[in-house]
Amino acid sequence: GEDVEQSLFLSVREGDSSVINCTYTDSSSTYLYWYKQEPGAGLQLLTYIFSNMDMKQDQRLTVLLNKKDKHLSLRIADTQTGDSAIYFCAEIGGYSSASKIIFGSGTRLSIRP
Amino acid sequence: NAGVTQTPKFQVLKTGQSMTLQCAQDMNHNSMYWYRQDPGMGLRLIYYSASEGTTDKGEVPNGYNVSRLNKREFSLRLESAAPSQTSVYFCASSEPDRGTTGELFFGEGSRLTVL
Repeated sequence: GEDVEQSLFLSVREGDSSVINCTYTDSSSTYLYWYKQEPGAGLQLLTYIFSNMDMKQDQRLTVLLNKKDKHLSLRIADTQTGDSAIYFCAEIGGYSSASKIIFGSGTRLSIRP
Repeated sequence: NAGVTQTPKFQVLKTGQSMTLQCAQDMNHNSMYWYRQDPGMGLRLIYYSASEGTTDKGEVPNGYNVSRLNKREFSLRLESAAPSQTSVYFCASSEPDRGTTGELFFGEGSRLTVL
């Protein structure tokens, strides 16, 4: 079956940029997502990108998509302590049911002072 | 502005006991989902309900049953709990099930420990 992979941990210094990477196997991906999970809370959609886009920017967030390499990244500029969370990459292929969304294992971002 | 509400937030069970996790959403969404989250494994879909009156198995349905009580409520039942079911359970909803961006709205989770 299809798979989404991401590294489990990332530590960055406050004020630096964070880059969280994700690779996926589904060549028919239409939407790719980044969800954020703060401690003790559920997941919340942070941003998404449609597969015909290369980049999407939203304030401090930049999403880059390399369809050829099936690689997605999330860059957080000027990382703050409030950005400490687990970030999940997810994708869905075609125009499938949302039940087909595949999640990565999540990257825990920790911020050093 | 509740969104998706799950109860209970925490539960400890002994092996073999049964329990039901409750979920309700107030966004008038048609589709609802139950996931489990285990360390290093991301989210895995247990069951989902694309619309009121329908339920379907997800990736890991064994040991669970669900009921879509009405459009708002979707419950998850463990008939005979096992230690392997120790996990954090998330309920989610979306509207509609297909044909849009597929954004899922999650509850805060229910942490279940089976001894």
